Amino acid sequence: KQEVTQIPAALSVPEGENLVLNCSFTDSAIYNLQWFRQDPGKGLTSLLLIQSSQREQTSGRLNASLDKSSGRSTLYIAASQPGDSATYLCAVRYLMNTGFQKLVFGTGTRLLVSP
Amino acid sequence: GAVVSQHPSRVICKSGTSVKIECRSLDFQATTMFWYRQFPKQSLMLMATSNEGSKATYEQGVEKDKFLINHASLTLSTLTVTSAHPEDSSFYICSALRDGDTGELFFGEGSRLTVL
Repeated sequence: KQEVTQIPAALSVPEGENLVLNCSFTDSAIYNLQWFRQDPGKGLTSLLLIQSSQREQTSGRLNASLDKSSGRSTLYIAASQPGDSATYLCAVRYLMNTGFQKLVFGTGTRLLVSP
Repeated sequence: GAVVSQHPSRVICKSGTSVKIECRSLDFQATTMFWYRQFPKQSLMLMATSNEGSKATYEQGVEKDKFLINHASLTLSTLTVTSAHPEDSSFYICSALRDGDTGELFFGEGSRLTVL
């Protein structure tokens, strides 16, 4: 069974700290991995997409790495800000034998950055 | 940018009625769309994969007759919750996979369904 787990489930930090969010997946035959943020009661905003052949992606203060062999991805947030407060979700995409794609979401990390 | 519009954003209905939620890709074509359900403070649960011109693929435990999915065009997928009951109250989110792209998913803003 393909499962995606995120640690920690919740994180509370003061403004300015550098953060590491972890995502682990049981099936390493992934197609790609995507990090999202979700604000309360809202949809998902894509942050970074890493293809299976890539090791990392960067966008501004965000950096995501991928290690397929160990089944892990990490999201680094540099110099955190109160506006970063949200739930962060990682999602792993698999290509099925049927030709269809399947996206499995992690359990999420709720981040609170206090001023 | 790639925009996915979901409508309605909020709907309240009486038990026993049916509710239709639309998911549109506004500026791109999407052969494949996905429907998710999210309970409070939980992650997204995939309900079904919607493919244009063919039947949806439902995840285990999701009732096909309860959650009807239609993907009639390359820019529109609909989810109909039939004979809704209070336990169907939830946050429903759709996502679209842009054709010919690198596989990045774009999400709608979600639809909150409340069944009285």
